[in-house]
This record gives sequence, C-alpha cells and structure tokens, in this order.
Amino acid sequence: ETGVTQSPTHLIKTRGQQVTLRCSSQSGHNTVSWYQQALGQGPQFIFQYYREEENGRGNFPPRFSGLQFPNYSSELNVNALELDDSALYLCASSLALGRAGEQYFGPGTRLTVT
Amino acid sequence: AQSVTQLDSQVPVFEEAPVELRCNYSSSVSVYLFWYVQYPNQGLQLLLKYLSGSTLVESINGFEAEFNKSQTSFHLRKPSVHISDTAEYFCAVSEMDTDKLIFGTGTRLQVFP
Repeated sequence: ETGVTQSPTHLIKTRGQQVTLRCSSQSGHNTVSWYQQALGQGPQFIFQYYREEENGRGNFPPRFSGLQFPNYSSELNVNALELDDSALYLCASSLALGRAGEQYFGPGTRLTVT
Repeated sequence: AQSVTQLDSQVPVFEEAPVELRCNYSSSVSVYLFWYVQYPNQGLQLLLKYLSGSTLVESINGFEAEFNKSQTSFHLRKPSVHISDTAEYFCAVSEMDTDKLIFGTGTRLQVFP
C-alpha cells in the first residue's frame, strides 16, 4: 500500500505566473484536503474534495482552485502567483468524510515565488 | 470558530530529560484534538489524538497528552526524550465529524546530547 505522494518536490515560479501541484491519495481514500504552510507557521486549510466535488474551503481567494479526478488524485492550482504564496503545500487523504483523525499527509511541495 | 495556541515556539532540552509542550485551544463546540510531528523536509505525521473516552492518550513512542476540558488544554509530555525526538510539533483541533484541521504555530523541540 503506497502512501500519499506529491509532485513536484520543489519548484520556483515568478510572480504573476500560474502553478499546478499534484497529489496522489493513499489507496482507497476518496477524500483529499490541501493545506498551506508558510515558513514558521502551522498549516492552514485551503479546501477539501470529496468524490470530485469541493466540500469546504478555508479563507483563501478564488485564485486558489482544485480538482479531484475519478481515481481520487488531486490538483491544486494557483493563478496570479504572489510572493506570499511561497510556502510548503501539503495534501492529506482520508478514507471518508469526517475522519480528521485519520488523515495521512504527503511530504509536501515547496513553492518559492520570486 | 476554533483557534489553537502553542505558547512555546522553541523548547530546548537535554537528552533523557522530561519535556512538556503546551497547547491551549478555543472553541464554542466540542472538538477533537491532535498532536502532529514534522521532521525536517517531511510532511506531518499523526502522533496521537483525543476523540472521546479516556482523557489521557498515549503514542507508541512514549509521548502522552491529557485533554483538560476545564482548562481547554491538551499538553504533550514525554518523561525522557531522545535525540531523535528533535522535530516540530503541531497541536491541532477539528470540530467533531469534520475534516478541517486548525493548527497552532508549532513548537520546535530541540534535544541536545
């Protein structure tokens, strides 16, 4: 059984550009959540997807968007990148909704915006 | 809305000494409580959780935490730390039956030989 994987590991973008981050959920998990962890801070909830539908969103602007595919893998898209978007982006998958204590986190993607 | 306060940003301690990492939370509803650990350049790993039942919960590597409803606290303790415990520790809460985790700002535990 493979764990949660994320790609790429690191990337550098320029302000104003767009970026797509990818997450492959743990086998059998149909729920994925995305978090942003700025340097020296705790992770902040961006949004969650359940069976390909958004199922809750944190305090992030619409330029943060996502997708979940039939195989339950997921993408996080960020448009019009700003310097403050530099952070570690974490995804977490779980077997079903309402399982906050059973989320498995990936290693994260480190995004640097210059 | 919920919030989590981790009072100590850094906790230096010598190997084999006891340690306590403090966590207080604020919520108007019942919550679940969690401690996560993050090793350098890695994601988050669940250390332990309180969902219901006994207020004292333990992890497999010797950590324990006690849920104190009257003090709205969930402090993490270990009686004897090891060098390998050096990491960032995050306290988190979620409303019951939801998936959204609210994290504290983290406590860096540095264990010295």
